[in-house]
Amino acid sequence: EDQVTQSPEALRLQEGESSSLNCSYTVSGLRGLFWYRQDPGKGPEFLFTLYSAGEEKEKERLKATLTKKESFLHITAPKPEDSATYLCAVVTDSWGKLQFGAGTQVVVTP
Amino acid sequence: NAGVTQTPKFRVLKTGQSMTLLCAQDMNHEYMYWYRQDPGMGLRLIHYSVGEGTTAKGEVPDGYNVSRLKKQNFLLGLESAAPSQTSVYFCASSPPQTMNTEAFFGQGTRLTVV
Repeated sequence: EDQVTQSPEALRLQEGESSSLNCSYTVSGLRGLFWYRQDPGKGPEFLFTLYSAGEEKEKERLKATLTKKESFLHITAPKPEDSATYLCAVVTDSWGKLQFGAGTQVVVTP
Repeated sequence: NAGVTQTPKFRVLKTGQSMTLLCAQDMNHEYMYWYRQDPGMGLRLIHYSVGEGTTAKGEVPDGYNVSRLKKQNFLLGLESAAPSQTSVYFCASSPPQTMNTEAFFGQGTRLTVV
């Protein structure tokens, strides 16, 4: 059975304190791994797609990496506006059906 | 450019009542999806559609029906609401699956069944 697990469930950071979020997956036939950001009361907002082990993508203070078993979302020198829930999801078929982890809630304090 | 629009944004239903959630997208996307989000469980796929006139079941389809009569609209129906259907519902759309294709989400509908 396919499974996507995110850790930690919650993360509290001081402004400027870098950290990493983990997304481990057990799936058959990964077609893509997606990272989304979700603010309270809003829908998920796309951040990155990773397709193969060794791939890395960056956007401002965020960097996503992928291995054969897990993905990391690194937050470098976070700011309070980086506070959000970060969702990881995988696609294993050609219909684009996303299978999500439960998310990591990140709070960055000044 | 509105993207994906969901109506209504909030709704309270009594057990046994019916309702329809509407999703509209203006990006000419072929694929559309309905997810529900519950605390601690992440988003789960209810139903999806890969084109006008087609629908298919997702992970948690029981108690829901869908229709895709027009390419831009995807309707989610609850025939007889139950308290277990209290959740936040998200609609998403995407182009046909090729490389570098992500799904775009609506703002959600918060449904409470009492």
